[in-house]
Formats: sequence, structure tokens, C-alpha cells
Amino acid sequence: KAGVTQTPRYLIKTRGQQVTLSCSPISGHRSVSWYQQTPGQGLQFLFEYFSETQRNKGNFPGRFSGRQFSNSRSEMNVSTLELGDSALYLCASSLLQGSIGEQFFGPGTRLTVL
Amino acid sequence: TQLLEQSPQFLSIQEGENLTVYCNSSSVFSSLQWYRQEPGEGPVLLVTVVTGGEVKKLKRLTFQFGDARKDSSLHITAAQPGDTGLYLCAGGPDYKLSFGAGTTVTVRA
Repeated sequence: KAGVTQTPRYLIKTRGQQVTLSCSPISGHRSVSWYQQTPGQGLQFLFEYFSETQRNKGNFPGRFSGRQFSNSRSEMNVSTLELGDSALYLCASSLLQGSIGEQFFGPGTRLTVL
Repeated sequence: TQLLEQSPQFLSIQEGENLTVYCNSSSVFSSLQWYRQEPGEGPVLLVTVVTGGEVKKLKRLTFQFGDARKDSSLHITAAQPGDTGLYLCAGGPDYKLSFGAGTTVTVRA
């Protein structure tokens, strides 16, 4: 079956702009988690959605938000972009809520903020 | 502050050599996962260890979970260039996975 897909793969924005990233989970998976990966901080948990509801949230400012649709696809939005938001944004889908089940990661969206 | 500390940060070895990567924490984890990430891709789960003292083998990879469930190690025997990648350990209380900073492994042919 098809893996996790993320669009776009690459994105360049300027400070102050906003961006929306998309993630399509594996068919049948209802949990989607988002992570930010940077060389300095590594992989950090942003939030998790399960059945269209945010279940868990990491320590990120309110500029980072997300949502999940009825078909389990998820979007992540970052408003008022800062230079420090440049990172690889990864989404992962899972059958089970939380980190207990195996998570399948997408290839990520590389965001560059100029 | 990383909840999970990985060492070493970088490892470069010759094909055929053995290597060990460590993952340590002051916290107790109900389970620990190991992932490998290759450039341009997302992490891929290698194994999940759940029982203190557990040892799991995946071909040339051996994973061990400490008795106190605070640490884990990954040992690769006779490394091959295909083992090159970023190795990440992850654990999560309360359903939120925390990742270590990772160990970048380079296996030279």
C-alpha cells in the first residue's frame, strides 16, 4: 500500500509569511503526528491528531497549528514565519493513537525561511 | 534539553567493522524505539523494545534495553555501506515521542 505522502517537498518563504503543509497518511491510519527536525534541536514533537481531534501537543508557540480532516489527511500551518522555523517538517501516521503503535514517517517538507 | 542522550554523535568506520550506538536517559521508559533515517527521507522504525533486559536481533543489528529501562544500545556487526544513516532512539511517556539527537553513522567501502 502507498506510504505517507507530504506536499510540497520543498518550500521557500520569507519572514512574516504563513505556510500550510499537507500530509496524507497510510490508508486506514487515523493518527497523524507532526515533528520538526533541525540540526540543532533534532526531532521535536509538534502535535498529534486522531479522528479529527488534537490529542497531544508539544512545546511550540501558538503560531504552529494543525487540523485533520474526516479522511485523516492533515494540514499544518505556521503563521508569521521566523528564520528559526527553517526545518524539515515530518509527519507520521499510525493505526493507534499516541506513540505506542508503529509510526510511519513521510519524506518530509523542507521549509526555508529567508 | 534532550530527554534522551545519544552517543557518539558521529561514527565513521570501515566496512566489516563493528559499532555500538548508545541511548541514555534519567527517565524510565515503558518502551524505546530505534529508527534509521537516510538523507531525504523520513525515519524508518527498526525495532521497539519494551521489557527491561530485552535483547532483539534484526539480522546484523542487535538491540538491548537496559534492566532499568533507562538506556538502550544498538550494535551492528560487520557493518556495510548500506548501514549508513542517522540512527535515532525515541521513547515516550504519555504518548509523546521524544527523540534523541541521533548518531550519524558512515560506513566506508
